[in-house]
Amino acid sequence: EADIYQTPRYLVIGTGKKITLECSQTMGHDKMYWYQQDPGMELHLIHYSYGVNSTEKGDLSSESTVSRIRTEHFPLTLESARPSHTSQYLCASSEAGWAGSRDPDEQYFGPGTRLTVT
Amino acid sequence: RKEVEQDPGPFNVPEGATVAFNCTYSNSASQSFFWYRQDCRKEPKLLMSVYSSGNEDGRFTAQLNRASQYISLLIRDSKLSDSATYLCVVKAFVAGTYKYIFGTGTRLKVLA
Repeated sequence: EADIYQTPRYLVIGTGKKITLECSQTMGHDKMYWYQQDPGMELHLIHYSYGVNSTEKGDLSSESTVSRIRTEHFPLTLESARPSHTSQYLCASSEAGWAGSRDPDEQYFGPGTRLTVT
Repeated sequence: RKEVEQDPGPFNVPEGATVAFNCTYSNSASQSFFWYRQDCRKEPKLLMSVYSSGNEDGRFTAQLNRASQYISLLIRDSKLSDSATYLCVVKAFVAGTYKYIFGTGTRLKVLA
């Protein structure tokens, strides 16, 4: 079982609110990721981090921001939520850090946060 | 053309059947390969990594063909609990970094 946690699991919030989705892992993994997934669709990478003080944007344009102050913690923040942000947000981690070449380096996923913006 | 392609299914099979899924990838610099299982509205869970020599875990067998750039997953003696979406994932070196590229998944329904 992967030791990666996300809170809240479900969130319904009004337009314009600021929200932070929490993700933490106890596996000591260097690399962490945020994905967005709509029902029946593939995962899209929105942010990732190689380690502390490292954050990068992913493939899908996102109005969210992330921070990585501690190895185990990778929160995602939306400054002003909109209905178009309604989706499932999945956090993941993997062991390899900056080198990234470790093989195979499996990703492990948290349970997800299902966000609905009304 | 998608970087990782899978037949979306659904594959409807009776209990006890053997079913095979294929996945093709376009990036020849792909390094690692995985099959994940995703239940409806849940997170993907790692089923198995795929090794060049092929590997087996109980009823599940994975094969990799680097020359043809495809990966397969074989499920023997299907159980009702195998019903899920199976995601093919490829780790490749793209634009100076390692990325995980996900297929859209193949839906499997095992019928009683």
